[in-house]
Amino acid sequence: GQQLNQSPQSMFIQEGEDVSMNCTSSSIFNTWLWYKQDPGEGPVLLIALYKAGELTSNGRLTAQFGITRKDSFLNISASIPSDVGIYFCAGPPSGAGSYQLTFGKGTKLSVIP
Amino acid sequence: DGGITQSPKYLFRKEGQNVTLSCEQNLNHDAMYWYRQDPGQGLRLIYYSQIVNDFQKGDIAEGYSVSREKKESFPLTVTSAQKNPTAFYLCASGPLRYGYTFGSGTRLTVV
Repeated sequence: GQQLNQSPQSMFIQEGEDVSMNCTSSSIFNTWLWYKQDPGEGPVLLIALYKAGELTSNGRLTAQFGITRKDSFLNISASIPSDVGIYFCAGPPSGAGSYQLTFGKGTKLSVIP
Repeated sequence: DGGITQSPKYLFRKEGQNVTLSCEQNLNHDAMYWYRQDPGQGLRLIYYSQIVNDFQKGDIAEGYSVSREKKESFPLTVTSAQKNPTAFYLCASGPLRYGYTFGSGTRLTVV
């Protein structure tokens, strides 16, 4: 099946720094979704992308749909302690019969005050 | 407010017991999903249902069972056949294109 590779797997940053993470696939995706999971909670949808090249912001978060349709990027500017958590990329596999989202394994973000 | 509710938040199971995790949604979604999350493993699909009275096995269905008698409800039973049930369980609902809405999870521990 189609897989999503997220990197980095984990990162430790200083408060105030900018963060970049990405998600790649060997197959084309028509939608890219970014979720954040706080410790002990369910994931929450942050940003959804639907067109190749699309750049979408949500506060300090910016995500881009790669022009090859095989990757996506999430940037967080001026990180704060509440940014701590696991960030997942996800998307519905292309082709007929897709019935579930494919998820990356997540990037665990730690922010040092 | 529309949402998806999982209960209980914490659950303890003795060896050999079956336990049932509740998942209720008032979002009028047809599709519902159960995931298992272990540290460093990401999200693994247990079962999913696209419509009432129908459900399909996911990648790790062994030792689990589900029912979908109502659109709003998709309970998961962890049976005694599941040998390593300690994990965080997440229920979700929604269409693929716009992303799932997740519940807040149930942490199951074997004692």
